[in-house]
Amino acid sequence: GENVEQHPSTLSVQEGDSAVIKCTYSDSASNYFPWYKQELGKGPQLIIDIRSNVGEKKDQRIAVTLNKTAKHFSLHITETQPEDSAVYFCAASRGKGQNFVFGPGTRLSVLP
Amino acid sequence: DSGVTQTPKHLITATGQRVTLRCSPRSGDLSVYWYQQSLDQGLQFLIQYYNGEERAKGNILERFSAQQFPDLHSELNLSSLELGDSALYFCASSVPNEKLFFGSGTQLSVL
Repeated sequence: GENVEQHPSTLSVQEGDSAVIKCTYSDSASNYFPWYKQELGKGPQLIIDIRSNVGEKKDQRIAVTLNKTAKHFSLHITETQPEDSAVYFCAASRGKGQNFVFGPGTRLSVLP
Repeated sequence: DSGVTQTPKHLITATGQRVTLRCSPRSGDLSVYWYQQSLDQGLQFLIQYYNGEERAKGNILERFSAQQFPDLHSELNLSSLELGDSALYFCASSVPNEKLFFGSGTQLSVL
């Protein structure tokens, strides 16, 4: 089955700096890769996603890149702000109606 | 607001007891997923239902069971509860849109 690894497990950056979180997956049939942000005491919130036919996607300060050959994808957050502090999860899925396998999460701290 | 509704938000019970967690998916979503998140841990997949039928099973204990009803809401039943079952339990829904949306969770405390 699918296995998703995520690094680093914790990340501290200064406000205004960039943050990068990397994930690798094992199942070459996976074709949908979402990223979630989880704030304390809340449910994971979808922040950006990418499909396997796209190499990069941006949404304001957030971007995701995908390398299908190497089976890895990354989340990039630019101009970080204290409110970006949270746990971020990556996931992989074979698509509609299929299961999602999550990475173990990255705790991001943005220091003011 | 994701549109996925979970009740109750908090549940405190004793060891050996049985509880039921309820989830209403987003309007139109056919698939419901249940995840367990222990303190400072990741999201452990328990089980998935699609239009009333079990679609996939993860690391769900035999003491746990779930079902999805004709109106697409789902219930997760946890029995013979142990201290280690204390966790956040999330429900999520998807399909026909492939995007997965989570509810706000049920915090279960077993004392």
